[in-house]
Amino acid sequence: EDQVTQSPEALRLQEGESSSLNCSYTVSGLRGLFWYRQDPGKGPEFLFTLYSAGEEKEKERLKATLTKKESFLHITAPKPEDSATYLCAVQNTGNQFYFGTGTSLTVIP
Amino acid sequence: GAGVSQSPRYKVAKRGQDVALRCDPISGHVSLFWYQQALGQGPEFLTYFQNEAQLDKSGLPSDRFFAERPEGSVSTLKIQRTQQEDSAVYLCASSLDVTLNIEAFFGQGTRLTVV
Repeated sequence: EDQVTQSPEALRLQEGESSSLNCSYTVSGLRGLFWYRQDPGKGPEFLFTLYSAGEEKEKERLKATLTKKESFLHITAPKPEDSATYLCAVQNTGNQFYFGTGTSLTVIP
Repeated sequence: GAGVSQSPRYKVAKRGQDVALRCDPISGHVSLFWYQQALGQGPEFLTYFQNEAQLDKSGLPSDRFFAERPEGSVSTLKIQRTQQEDSAVYLCASSLDVTLNIEAFFGQGTRLTVV
């Protein structure tokens, strides 16, 4: 069964303290892996799509990487405005999407 | 429109009442998805459309849930005889064409509370 597991569930960082969020997945056929950011009371906001192992994408302080079993979202020198829940999702060859439960990130000034 | 629009933002229903949730996707987007998000959980897939065709409804939790997109644009998710376990945020997302691996954009969601 296709599934996504994210860790840690929650992460507290000091401003400027870099870290990584993990997304482990099992999928029958991967068409894409997606990272989203979700703020309280809002819908998920698209960040990245990764399609194949070895691919990397960057946006400001965020960098996403992909292997055959997991993806990492690296956050470099985070700021308080980076505080949010980060969701990972996979799309299989049947165009079904499976989300993880997210990592709640808090960046303390 | 500029983004995916969902209405209402909040809905309180008495148990047993029928509800209808509306989604206006981004103009020109072929693919449309409905998700259910319980508190503290990730979104769970309910159903998806390519234009007006409902290609996958495997995530609908019971036959009380019904979705339609008759003209390939606006979609409605209907829940009949609501139960307390239906309380959740219902998210709609659209993408240019999911078969091309194009990312999906989400609306703000409708928070349904069944009392």
